[in-house]
Parts: sequence; structure tokens; C-alpha cells
Amino acid sequence: GAVVSQHPSWVICKSGTSVKIECRSLDFQATTMFWYRQFPKQSLMLMATSNEGSKATYEQGVEKDKFLINHASLTLSTLTVTSAHPEDSSFYICSASRGGAAAYEQYFGPGTRLTVT
Amino acid sequence: SQQGEEDPQALSIQEGENATMNCSYKTSINNLQWYRQNSGRGLVHLILIRSNEREKHSGRLRVTLDTSKKSSSLLITASRAADTASYFCATETPGKLIFGQGTTLQVKP
Repeated sequence: GAVVSQHPSWVICKSGTSVKIECRSLDFQATTMFWYRQFPKQSLMLMATSNEGSKATYEQGVEKDKFLINHASLTLSTLTVTSAHPEDSSFYICSASRGGAAAYEQYFGPGTRLTVT
Repeated sequence: SQQGEEDPQALSIQEGENATMNCSYKTSINNLQWYRQNSGRGLVHLILIRSNEREKHSGRLRVTLDTSKKSSSLLITASRAADTASYFCATETPGKLIFGQGTTLQVKP
């Protein structure tokens, strides 16, 4: 149990376009979902935390107007990178936790590789 | 911000040898976790150790925690080529996980 999927697994887009990444909890209800970004050979950096039905909480330095997060249901959160630029190319990983679970109890998706040309 | 710092940043060993990687953190913790990440893939949870535990084992993995020194170590015994991956420690701050910089382990067959 506790499987999290991401779609797409990789995407290439042109500079200036927007791209949406989906994160789904397949066999549990995810009250909270987290979005991370990972540059090559670096660690995971938390971008934002989203709770179902409410606005996401963004980490310092993350542009909320550029990285739109929607968590409309208990099994789906989406990250939209708007007006993408080459510097947005990265590995984006989501995680999800059940209702009432502690923050450390996160289940991670397989990641989405974004390349902006 | 990064809570954990890991060393070494990179480690290369022969198959069958043991691999030890260390993680230091800055603030008090309730628990600490170790994750593995194969190249270009998601995270695999390896083990969680609570602040009142000093050592924990899981198969070929041994994790220690020294809260007085704010440090943890992950030992992989009898390493295999399949253990080649990056390893991250993660600590919990209110409402979120903070990851260390990671150690890249290469196990040569």
C-alpha cells in the first residue's frame, strides 16, 4: 500500500510554455502533499506543502505565481510550471501523507524530469 | 534550508566491503530517516530511527544516532553493486522534512 504516482515521468517543453505535473495517491487518501525540486547531483529542496482544499504554503524563495499548485481532491495534486525557462529544468518529486500522519510519514512519487529548451 | 549535512559527498568501494556514511543536523529532532535514490528515480525509504533509540538494524543496514552530537551514521555491510545510489538523511521540522546533501555511493563489482 501507500503508492504515489506521477505523470508524466519526463517532459520536454519550449521556453515560455507551461507544463503541468500530476501527483496521485493510488491507494490512500492524501490530506497533505509536498512538492520538491532536485537539481542534478543535489538534494531535494521542498518547494511547497499543499493541503486538500486549501491554498499551498510555499517555501521562502519559491515563486507562487510561477509554480501553481492545486490540491483539489484527496488523491490528486498538480504542479504547473508557468512560462517555463531553461533554469526551471529539474527533477520534480511529490510526496503524500495520510490524514493525521506526522510530516515525516511521507510516501514519495517516482519523480518527473522536466527539460525546458 | 538544509538541516543535514552528510559526509562523505561521494564514496567508492569494492563489492563486499562495508560503506559508512554520516549525517549531521542542527536542531533537536524527534526522529531521523534514511532514504536511497537510484539515479533519476524517486526515493526509497530505508529506515527510521527515533530520538530515544541509539541503534537500529534492517537487513544489511545499521543506523546509529547520537543526539548529543547531533549526528547519525548509516552502515551498509557486504555491499553489492545494486547498492550503488545516493543516500540521504532527513529530519522532521514542524510540518515538513528537511533533507541532507546526500552521499553518492558507487559499489564496483
